[in-house]
Amino acid sequence: DAKTTQPPSMDCAEGRAANLPCNHSTISGNEYVYWYRQIHSQGPQYIIHGLKNNETNEMASLIITEDRKSSTLILPHATLRDTAVYYCIVRVATRGYGGSQGNLIFGKGTKLSVKP
Amino acid sequence: DGGITQSPKYLFRKEGQNVTLSCEQNLNHDAMYWYRQDPGQGLRLIYYSQIVNDFQKGDIAEGYSVSREKKESFPLTVTSAQKNPTAFYLCASSKALLAVLNTGELFFGEGSRLTVL
Repeated sequence: DAKTTQPPSMDCAEGRAANLPCNHSTISGNEYVYWYRQIHSQGPQYIIHGLKNNETNEMASLIITEDRKSSTLILPHATLRDTAVYYCIVRVATRGYGGSQGNLIFGKGTKLSVKP
Repeated sequence: DGGITQSPKYLFRKEGQNVTLSCEQNLNHDAMYWYRQDPGQGLRLIYYSQIVNDFQKGDIAEGYSVSREKKESFPLTVTSAQKNPTAFYLCASSKALLAVLNTGELFFGEGSRLTVL
C-alpha cells in the first residue's frame, strides 16, 4: 500500500498562504490523493482530492507533481479557523467489494497552527 | 440539514460494562464506518458496512460489535472484551463503499469521547 509522509507540525501567519507538503513516493497510477482536516475534538472534514492534475475548490488548491510522488495543499489566505491537523491520504486501489481495500487510512497528519 | 449525528458526545463507563454509541445519518448514504482515534494519533478503522444487514471487520474490530438494521443507523457497541476502550470514536458515511468508488468522500460526525473509569 502507498504511504504518505508529512511534517508533524507547521506554523503560518494569518492572511498568508499555507503550503502543506506530502510525500507519497510509492503511489500507484490509479491511486488518488485525498486531503482532510480535523479541527480539535471534531470529526475530519474533506478538503480536496486529485489524481494527476492540479485541483482547486473554494477551500484550497492541490498541486501534484508530474511524477505524482509528492503533492502540496495550499490554503491561499490562512485564517485562525484553519488551525487543524491536515491529513494527506493516498487511497489504495479499488479491488471490488469486500475487505478494507479502498478505505481511507488516516495517519498522524500535519498540525497547522495559524498565528495572528 | 443533512448530516451525521453521533451521541452521546461524552460518555463515562465503568470497567466491565458494555456501552453503545449511536450514529445516525440522513444523507441517504449506503456505506457507514466506525473509526477510533487515540490522543495524537491517526484514525483506525473498526468496522464498516456497505449496505443494510451487512458489515465487515476493519483493522481493530476485536472487542467491538456493530449492527446495520436500518440504512440510517450504524450503532457501535464497545464490549467489556475491549481492553483499552478510552478513546475518541468517529462515525462516517459515504454514498457507497469507497472500495467501489473511483472518487468520493467520507462525511464524519462530531465524534463520541468514551472514558473508562
